[in-house]
Amino acid sequence: EPEVTQTPSHQVTQMGQEVILRCVPISNHLYFYWYRQILGQKVEFLVSFYNNEISEKSEIFDDQFSVERPDGSNFTLKIRSTKLEDSAMYFCASSDRSANNEKLFFGSGTQLSVL
Amino acid sequence: GQNIDQPTEMTATEGAIVQINCTYQTSGFNGLFWYQQHAGEAPTFLSYNVLDGLEEKGRFSSFLSRSKGYSYLLLKELQMKDSASYLCAVRALNQAGTALIFGKGTTLSVSS
Repeated sequence: EPEVTQTPSHQVTQMGQEVILRCVPISNHLYFYWYRQILGQKVEFLVSFYNNEISEKSEIFDDQFSVERPDGSNFTLKIRSTKLEDSAMYFCASSDRSANNEKLFFGSGTQLSVL
Repeated sequence: GQNIDQPTEMTATEGAIVQINCTYQTSGFNGLFWYQQHAGEAPTFLSYNVLDGLEEKGRFSSFLSRSKGYSYLLLKELQMKDSASYLCAVRALNQAGTALIFGKGTTLSVSS
């Protein structure tokens, strides 16, 4: 079964550093998402992306965050200057919105630890 | 605003039936999803409801009442491997994208 892949699985960084989280969505999917989950808390929506632009973003997705689809397969989330509170599991997801009941397929996540 | 409520924790025994409830108040409604999430893993899709009624899929069923803003996930013949968090998520009609908004999840513990 096709799957969403994310790299790295774990990322440790110093506060103030830039990090790039990488995702390869399922190949025929057109909609891409980033979510995050702080330990013990709920899965929170960050941003959705379609047709090479942001479709929607949450309040969490401030100027420190950016997304990019640099080529036909990768989808990245950049955090410009990490803060301690950015420590979380970051999930990439994709969907094929061919029908209204399209489900999101999630990657296995990148655990980001900001020290 | 969006608000999705689920019980925080539930416990049950192997072989039993458990019902996990979810209530939602959202600015619009375009479908309700249930996902399963094992600790440290990604959420995986279980079910989808957009019309009122019951959707059955093997041991799992999901019910929706749009007028009441209410859904439940029913798990039958519980197995130890069903110990996980169960996430209720709503796609709101008037959101620009197709993002799902998740509740906090219900942690289910199945004991022998």
